[in-house]
Amino acid sequence: GAGVSQSPSNKVTEKGKDVELRCDPISGHTALYWYRQSLGQGLEFLIYFQGNSAPDKSGLPSDRFSAERTGGSVSTLTIQRTQQEDSAVYLCASSWAGYSGGNTIYFGEGSWLTVV
Amino acid sequence: DAKTTQPPSMDCAEGRAANLPCNHSTISGNEYVYWYRQIHSQGPQYIIHGLKNNETNEMASLIITEDRKSSTLILPHATLRDTAVYYCIVRVVGSGYGNKLVFGAGTILRVKS
Repeated sequence: GAGVSQSPSNKVTEKGKDVELRCDPISGHTALYWYRQSLGQGLEFLIYFQGNSAPDKSGLPSDRFSAERTGGSVSTLTIQRTQQEDSAVYLCASSWAGYSGGNTIYFGEGSWLTVV
Repeated sequence: DAKTTQPPSMDCAEGRAANLPCNHSTISGNEYVYWYRQIHSQGPQYIIHGLKNNETNEMASLIITEDRKSSTLILPHATLRDTAVYYCIVRVVGSGYGNKLVFGAGTILRVKS
């Protein structure tokens, strides 16, 4: 498709299990961003990729959270030993090169994660 | 932290223009003003952005004051489907930091019939 694609759209997992969330950015976009939004809360930045490297990981809340990007395209966000406070919608976004403020960032529809 | 200040909520009559204000008094010369909106926790939708000059597209107009310390997003003929949270964002510029978007609380716009 033409937009940012995320999967799964919904995921229910048991506390303590690991989960993987996938993001397929817009074709040709070298910059990729992960955000999360807890119910009723604002959008919280997690991590930024330029190509396959992640120069800004400042928003990852704990070492249970990690992300990788391969081939400069698809990215996977992994949450290990999930906790109930990890329940949120996880949003992925992409843009042309991230070093220009004029490059518009486009968001996907998100992956809703519920930890029970 | 977000570098913008917006009113928490606004109402607008259907068919009228919605004018959403935003203050960004500490904006730097190379920082852009972006507007997004979010409907029911869907992914944020890009609306418009600008640096210095006023901008217009099929969705909205962006008016930036000459000193760049504030701006206004204008939806010329608001419809019920424009009810959403509107975010005004000053985009952080800096090599290596990806110019990420830092979201504040936004303005809840309620369009009423």
